[in-house]
Amino acid sequence: QQQVKQSPQSLIVQKGGISIINCAYENTAFDYFPWYQQFPGKGPALLIAIRPDVSEKKEGRFTISFNKSAKQFSLHIMDSQPGDSATYFCAASRGNTPLVFGKGTRLSVIA
Amino acid sequence: NAGVTQTPKFQVLKTGQSMTLQCAQDMNHNSMYWYRQDPGMGLRLIYYSASEGTTDKGEVPNGYNVSRLNKREFSLRLESAAPSQTSVYFCASSEARASYTFGSGTRLTVV
Repeated sequence: QQQVKQSPQSLIVQKGGISIINCAYENTAFDYFPWYQQFPGKGPALLIAIRPDVSEKKEGRFTISFNKSAKQFSLHIMDSQPGDSATYFCAASRGNTPLVFGKGTRLSVIA
Repeated sequence: NAGVTQTPKFQVLKTGQSMTLQCAQDMNHNSMYWYRQDPGMGLRLIYYSASEGTTDKGEVPNGYNVSRLNKREFSLRLESAAPSQTSVYFCASSEARASYTFGSGTRLTVV
């Protein structure tokens, strides 16, 4: 059973547009929801994270929206740039247990 | 400022051969992890070590063994490699719930 479901698998966005990636989870005990960004040939790196006591967190052009009742959270990238082209992973964990990752979304931002 | 170092970066094995993937971190983190990344499958946890002296199975442990040699080093061993173990392997470390720091990966092909 996949604990974190991520969509879409791939996404093409025009430069300057908004990229939106969605994740849904099953385990209501999850209490930490990070997003990781991975460039080709590199390991993933933390982009932004949220805890379920807030509904939104913004860092620069990146925003996480969190809907606890729907068990969903999403990443919004405003004013998307070609340099944002990468694979994005949502993840979740409870307590100190290891992160469970979604399957990833390959984002391409075209000029 | 090396972070997490993985060796080797690339490896080709024949079916049935054995090998050990090495991982070392210099951030004094307690927790270390081994994930594998396959196309369309995201990052799946193989084994983790919450602290020196402890190891636990993850989602896909079959065919692998691990050793937490000391606080810095966490190795992953394939005793008898199979084509299904062709993947990119990532080691990561973290301090409790903090951000995971990933290595740059080992690309393994089993023929």
